[in-house]
Amino acid sequence: GENVEQHPSTLSVQEGDSAVIKCTYSDSASNYFPWYKQELGKRPQLIIDIRSNVGEKKDQRIAVTLNKTAKHFSLHITETQPEDSAVYFCAAVTGGGNKLTFGTGTQLKVEL
Amino acid sequence: ETGVTQTPRHLVMGMTNKKSLKCEQHLGHNAMYWYKQSAKKPLELMFVYNFKEQTENNSVPSRFSPECPNSSHLFLHLHTLQPEDSALYLCASSQYRGSLTNEKLFFGSGTQLSVL
Repeated sequence: GENVEQHPSTLSVQEGDSAVIKCTYSDSASNYFPWYKQELGKRPQLIIDIRSNVGEKKDQRIAVTLNKTAKHFSLHITETQPEDSAVYFCAAVTGGGNKLTFGTGTQLKVEL
Repeated sequence: ETGVTQTPRHLVMGMTNKKSLKCEQHLGHNAMYWYKQSAKKPLELMFVYNFKEQTENNSVPSRFSPECPNSSHLFLHLHTLQPEDSALYLCASSQYRGSLTNEKLFFGSGTQLSVL
């Protein structure tokens, strides 16, 4: 089955700096890679996703890159703000199914 | 505020109790999921229901029993749980369309379960 690894587990940045979270996956058939943000005490919410036929996708201050050859994908947050503080989860979906395998999460803290 | 509602928000139960978690989605989706979230662990998929039919049981112990009477409602029946089952149980829904699907999950707020 699919295995998703995520690094780092915790990340502290100064407000205005960039943050990068990286994930690797094991199943070369995986074709969909979403990122979820979970604020303290709240539900996970999708913030951005990318399909395997695309190498990069951007939405305002967040972007995701995908390297299919190396089987890794990354989340990039620029100009970080305190409200970006949360746990971020990457995930991968294999084939045409609807079974998401999640990474272990990254606790991002944006300090003033 | 949300299309996926879970009750109760918090639950404390003894190991001999029987309780049920409830999930309801108002988004018109056809797939529903149970996930377990423990500290410092990835979100663990437990069960998947597509069109009311269970399509995934991720090696979940039989003390967890799901029920999906229709595409809008999902239950998780609990009995003789262990302390290590204490976790946040999240329900989610999505619109599953096969190989071209957008697997965007909409999560509920979860039930924080404590087993004493």
